[in-house]
Amino acid sequence: VQLVESGGGLVQPGGSLRLSCAASGFTFSSYWMSWVRQAPGKGLEWVAKIKEDGSQKYYVDSVKGRFTISRDNANNSLYLQMNSLRAEDTAVYYCARGPRDSVGEFDYWGQGTLVTVSS
Amino acid sequence: SYVLTQPPSVSVAPGKTARITCEGNNIGGKGVHWYQQKPGQAPVLVIHYDSDRPSGIPERFSGSNSGNTATLTISRVEVGDEAEFYCQVWNSGTDHTVFGGGTKLTVL
Repeated sequence: VQLVESGGGLVQPGGSLRLSCAASGFTFSSYWMSWVRQAPGKGLEWVAKIKEDGSQKYYVDSVKGRFTISRDNANNSLYLQMNSLRAEDTAVYYCARGPRDSVGEFDYWGQGTLVTVSS
Repeated sequence: SYVLTQPPSVSVAPGKTARITCEGNNIGGKGVHWYQQKPGQAPVLVIHYDSDRPSGIPERFSGSNSGNTATLTISRVEVGDEAEFYCQVWNSGTDHTVFGGGTKLTVL
């Protein structure tokens, strides 16, 4: 199992960024997938999750209406479109497999991509 | 929203037993998962559903969950176990995942 994130970088407040996660080594279309972030020196925060077929999506309240999670099962890819970015969105964003059966654990994680929101 | 409370730090001598707690309202009724994160690395799942160990995780790692407290126990602690540990549950009320604030394990 391998998860490789990309797309992070420096963006101004109010700007947009699209993160990608390339998955391999497992049947991508059979798993819920999530984004989890970690602000510098802080703990883990779950951001969003998407059902195997993309039909259900859930978000933490702080990003609802600004972030959109999506997936392309044909290309084994997960995405996070981030709009109206704020300083407090600065974090390492991890792609994670799970939660298992929508309610369980995250059994594999990518290495993360850093998003910095600053003027 | 559902809150998980962990002690900021736990210290233990090599060879001893470390216990890291995770407190939440009636957490004993939920499945608790634990992650180990070393500096500069992604989290690694060490315990799922209270006490199950994923393959490749040493038997020294164990877990329990009852009442308002879940506990991760690390026996015969090694210097290489030094890391941040996080607990995680699913909150049925919001269908959201919640993480504890993390506990830094220091091996003296």
